[in-house]
Amino acid sequence: EVQLVESGGGLVQPGGALRLSCAASGFTFTNHWMHWVRQAPGKGLEWVANINQDGDEKYYVDSVKGRFTVSRDNAKNFLDLQMNSLRVEDTAVYYCVREGFYYESSGLIIVADYWGQGTLVTVSS
Amino acid sequence: EIVLTQSPGTLSLSPGERATLSCRASQSVSSSYLAWFQQKPGQAPRLLIYGASSRATGIPDRFSGSGSGTDFTLTISRLEPEDFAVYYCQQYSSSRGSTFGQGTKLEIK
Repeated sequence: EVQLVESGGGLVQPGGALRLSCAASGFTFTNHWMHWVRQAPGKGLEWVANINQDGDEKYYVDSVKGRFTVSRDNAKNFLDLQMNSLRVEDTAVYYCVREGFYYESSGLIIVADYWGQGTLVTVSS
Repeated sequence: EIVLTQSPGTLSLSPGERATLSCRASQSVSSSYLAWFQQKPGQAPRLLIYGASSRATGIPDRFSGSGSGTDFTLTISRLEPEDFAVYYCQQYSSSRGSTFGQGTKLEIK
């Protein structure tokens, strides 16, 4: 059974830092891109960052570039998100997401197929 | 960046009725990279449809997806009480980023 368990959320002051982790199990971690997606209270979903299987290709939403860093430890099956210079608007539930891939008659399909339960980050003074 | 616009923002229907949710992209999206999710309060999103029209494992056949290019649709043929939730579309771009629509809230009339 695929499991993604986030940890590391909490209350932090503006300008502070926090590191989120996601423990992955039940699948071959090294076969998959991984993502972070967040959801501010009462708001919609926002894609934050992703990382390829080897950890040498990463992408970020513009609002977190230069402040957040995504990384992975393939030996331990962990995905991390280092968040620096946090702002009030970074307050959200952060989800760890697996990118699945499926081969259909139309070709390769990629999709966010498994999600963790999320960890809440609150940035407030 | 590709922007996804979902409509309507809120849809009020009764159980047994048919629901049609729209997702329009600001530029063409590969159908292979278009998905739909359902989210209930306090829960993580749940994958419903991937590749624009394929149902995920365990999803009832009353859910169907269609569309191509810039216009995509999620249809729920006969609403069950458990279907009232918020629905999001998502796309992956060739640059490996991703965006979500702002969501459609399906509420009981």
